[in-house]
Amino acid sequence: DVKVTQSSRYLVKRTGEKVFLECVQDMDHENMFWYRQDPGLGLRLIYFSYDVKMKEKGDIPEGYSVSREKKERFSLILESASTNQTSMYLCASRLGTSGGAYEQYFGPGTRLTVT
Amino acid sequence: TQLLEQSPQFLSIQEGENLTVYCNSSSVFSSLQWYRQEPGEGPVLLVTVVTGGEVKKLKRLTFQFGDARKDSSLHITAAQPGDTGLYLCAGRSLYNFNKFYFGSGTKLNVKP
Repeated sequence: DVKVTQSSRYLVKRTGEKVFLECVQDMDHENMFWYRQDPGLGLRLIYFSYDVKMKEKGDIPEGYSVSREKKERFSLILESASTNQTSMYLCASRLGTSGGAYEQYFGPGTRLTVT
Repeated sequence: TQLLEQSPQFLSIQEGENLTVYCNSSSVFSSLQWYRQEPGEGPVLLVTVVTGGEVKKLKRLTFQFGDARKDSSLHITAAQPGDTGLYLCAGRSLYNFNKFYFGSGTKLNVKP
């Protein structure tokens, strides 16, 4: 079974703090993704990575950065948290083939509150 | 503006009823996926449809991809309380196979 784990289920941070969200997958997947999920907006892609040290901006990268030093680990960084970054953050992983293997496996999510 | 519009946003029905959820766009997708998400968990893939006009069945769930690959529907027959959850559709970009655009979801509640 594919397992995607996220470091925290709930997190409360203050405005201006630096925040790290960690994601680990155990299936040797090449691709990893960070989404945020907000009511009425669905999931929106923040960043994804298709290989170690490789990253690509998604649809809403502003205010975020990412790090992928090892294949199994993908970190999302909020350099200076703001209240509009309060959200549910979901990590996902997927095999790297272009054809087939469409399934993304999601972690349980981290609910981040910035006060 | 959402690339994929889902309707209805909320649905509350009695056990045994049938329902259909719609996922519409003006854009063409290379494939379309349906996920179900339960509270406190990440989405779990139900099905992927690839070919225009394709119909897939998963027990009481029937998924259809529109002929033009711009829309999809999910039909549930004889809904059960275990079907309760948030249903999300996701379209795969024609131009970047790593990009999926998600709808805002349909929250289904099936009452016993």
